[in-house]
Amino acid sequence: ETGVTQSPTHLIKTRGQQVTLRCSSQSGHNTVSWYQQALGQGPQFIFQYYREEENGRGNFPPRFSGLQFPNYSSELNVNALELDDSALYLCASSFYTTGSGETQYFGPGTRLLVL
Amino acid sequence: AQKVTQAQTEISVVEKEDVTLDCVYETRDTTYYLFWYKQPPSGELVFLIRRNSFDEQNEISGRYSWNFQKSTSSFNFTITASQVVDSAVYFCALEVLYGQNFVFGPGTRLSVLP
Repeated sequence: ETGVTQSPTHLIKTRGQQVTLRCSSQSGHNTVSWYQQALGQGPQFIFQYYREEENGRGNFPPRFSGLQFPNYSSELNVNALELDDSALYLCASSFYTTGSGETQYFGPGTRLLVL
Repeated sequence: AQKVTQAQTEISVVEKEDVTLDCVYETRDTTYYLFWYKQPPSGELVFLIRRNSFDEQNEISGRYSWNFQKSTSSFNFTITASQVVDSAVYFCALEVLYGQNFVFGPGTRLSVLP
């Protein structure tokens, strides 16, 4: 039990729609990262938020956006869904301080299917 | 750029056998962290270990042990006396300090047969 929760657990959308995925971090964690995991592959880093600001981004287009809130919750928004966006979306929370690496604790994921 | 390679796509062993999962990483940074995660069929990534680049001591935790060798850029994971519950996909990952990026390897699927 990592203390990180995600909602919904499963979601079906059609191409072109927009989706919002939610994550509740461990209490006190100031950093949240989002990952996309396609079937049979390792997770791919989408972006990270630190103290409510985007702190780093992987190779994902701008239609992937996020928000982090003061209450340790965060959102991943994906606009103009494409079939290839079908994947497991994982959020991970951590407490980051300067000079210290992060141990990330992952939520159970949201499985998104785009038809 | 950072990269993590896990050359073994799938491994099958019989219960009680020892098994080693290989991980090779690439980075130009001198400060970095290496991780191993376990992903059971339920999908949730389970943290196993974090090791920083300045600590090359091997670590043992119960049936699990890790061998970190900077000279070969490897961070291998051994399960001793494997059990059926060890069946999962195992990911090696690299985080570069200040990079705000966390790179996972492609994973190794371990099947432990009774």
